[in-house]
Formats: sequence, structure tokens, C-alpha cells
Amino acid sequence: AAGVIQSPRHLIKEKRETATLKCYPIPRHDTVYWYQQGPGQDPQFLISFYEKMQSDKGSIPDRFSAQQFSDYHSELNMSSLELGDSALYFCASSLPREGVKAFFGQGTRLTVV
Amino acid sequence: QKEVEQDPGPLSVPEGAIVSLNCTYSNSAFQYFMWYRQYSRKGPELLMYTYSSGNKEDGRFTAQVDKSSKYISLFIRDSQPSDSATYLCAMSDVGGGADGLTFGKGTHLIIQP
Repeated sequence: AAGVIQSPRHLIKEKRETATLKCYPIPRHDTVYWYQQGPGQDPQFLISFYEKMQSDKGSIPDRFSAQQFSDYHSELNMSSLELGDSALYFCASSLPREGVKAFFGQGTRLTVV
Repeated sequence: QKEVEQDPGPLSVPEGAIVSLNCTYSNSAFQYFMWYRQYSRKGPELLMYTYSSGNKEDGRFTAQVDKSSKYISLFIRDSQPSDSATYLCAMSDVGGGADGLTFGKGTHLIIQP
């Protein structure tokens, strides 16, 4: 079965650079969530989109922005990267009105050096 | 104090034992309670979700929610080495929406062959 696809799987950036992470949800899933998981930490909710509109916002820094496109894929844009941004970034998707049954991707491991 | 508290472990038990994993929470608005399993360097995988108080059973897994005590549990019967992973509890006050989940820090479970 198709799963949530994230790219790239690994990314190394220097401080103050920018990064773009991509998420392709499961077919027919129109809701996308982004989470950040630091080393040894629980996933922290960043932002979500439903039908291409921002739905909920968590602890996303102002340096980050995201959007959902017409094909429902989503991109997380991160600017002025800091060392503390090094983490696993997960994307999850769900069917409409089934947020509790979100499926997670494999994550993008971002390392800022 | 975090909204969701979970003992990070590690919890080490012999194969075949019954495992009990627990979370406590402080937000009485939480209505939906999920358990995720996360293998190293992988995305969280939804195991079970429960609405409000009560029990739910799925194969070797049983989830319990006690809203009066703000306490949830996941029991694993006949534990197998393949159950070794980090188990994350997650909660939401909106089941059908696109709001983000609040996770516990995860309990690292080791099943010894």
C-alpha cells in the first residue's frame, strides 16, 4: 500500500542556509501535518493543512513556512537555519475528518552544521 | 509541566511477558487517545486509538483510558522481540479535525529473547 513519501531522507545544511522539505500524502488524503522530533524528544506539532488551507498551527518558528499545493503535496520551507533545527521532520497525512488516524512518513533527518 | 507525561524507560522484559505502558496527562479536553510504535529512525506507526474512557482490544494489544484519573495504558500480551521499539502515546481534543497531536516522550521497550 502507498505510504506517505518524504524527500529528501537526509539533508545537511550550514547555519543560516535555507532548506525545503517535501511531503507527498497517501492518495485521497487531503490533510497534512508536519512534526519536528529532536534527539530523544517527542514529536512536536508544527503546522497542518486541510484542503490546501492552513488548519492548525503549533510551535512553528517564524523562520519556517509551509504550504499545501493543488495536488495535496506539502512543502516545509526553513530559512536562517540554526543548529537547534537539527531534528527529524515528519509529515503525516489523513483522510478528511480522521485526524486521529494520521499516517506518518519515514521522516527527513536535517542536520545543521 | 508537560501536558503529557510518559516514562522514557528503557523498560526491559523477557519474551512472553505482559508489558504495561502508561501515560498521564493534564488537559481534560483530550478526548482521543492514540498509541504509536516507532522503530529506530522510522516514522511513528499508529497501533490503536480510543475515544473517551474505556478499553479497546486488538490482537495482543489492549488500550485502556481512565479519564477520571487522566491515565492511559497500553498492554502487550505474549510480548515478542519484534515488539522492541519506542511506544509513544498521543492525544487530541479534536478527533475529526486537522489539529496536531500532543505526544508523550515515548517509552523505549526492549523484549529480551
